[in-house]
Amino acid sequence: RKEVEQDPGPFNVPEGVTVAFNCTYSNSASQSFFWYRQDCRKEPKLLMSVYSSGNEDGRFTAQLNRASQYISLLIRDSKLSDSATYLCVVNTNAGKSTFGDGTTLTVKP
Amino acid sequence: DVKVTQSSRYLVKRTGEKVFLECVQDMDHENMFWYRQDPGLGLRLIYFSYDVKMKEKGDIPEGYSVSREKKERFSLILESASTNQTSMYLCASSLFLNEAFFGQGTRLTVV
Repeated sequence: RKEVEQDPGPFNVPEGVTVAFNCTYSNSASQSFFWYRQDCRKEPKLLMSVYSSGNEDGRFTAQLNRASQYISLLIRDSKLSDSATYLCVVNTNAGKSTFGDGTTLTVKP
Repeated sequence: DVKVTQSSRYLVKRTGEKVFLECVQDMDHENMFWYRQDPGLGLRLIYFSYDVKMKEKGDIPEGYSVSREKKERFSLILESASTNQTSMYLCASSLFLNEAFFGQGTRLTVV
């Protein structure tokens, strides 16, 4: 079983809808969690951190559920510019940083 | 701004060559990472380092080694390059448990 499992996608959606991505992790000692965005042929860049209390940044909301060991990302009112691959990341207290395989989102007019 | 710099954007090497990929960060981060990214396989961790001269195997260390002689520099070494090591290699650095910052990547082709 992979340490970090992510919705395989791809997601093809029209503009304006709400999209949700989920990610589960297996190591209960995991300490910090993030969502990254990766555009085609570019390096991944931080989208937002994920906390148990939730984290909202404009149209984006990230949530952590430690009991069920999953993290989520919600994108509201999706836009063409949201088209990218979204990666969840889980860090352990041993310093290891593991990425999910990524979910590709395509938003169409 | 954090800057992570990888020595080459594109590299072509022959099978059996020894290959060095260099990565330098300028933010005094303790942690540094090497990943490879292949279509359909996501980012896979090769090695990481949490301090000078310290290294830990990631999920796919076979065929690779690393060196961290200075805090700002983390090198990935392919002792004898093979065609199945053709890939995009990404270096990253971070403070402990914080978000990672990536270099622009090195696309390595082994022929």
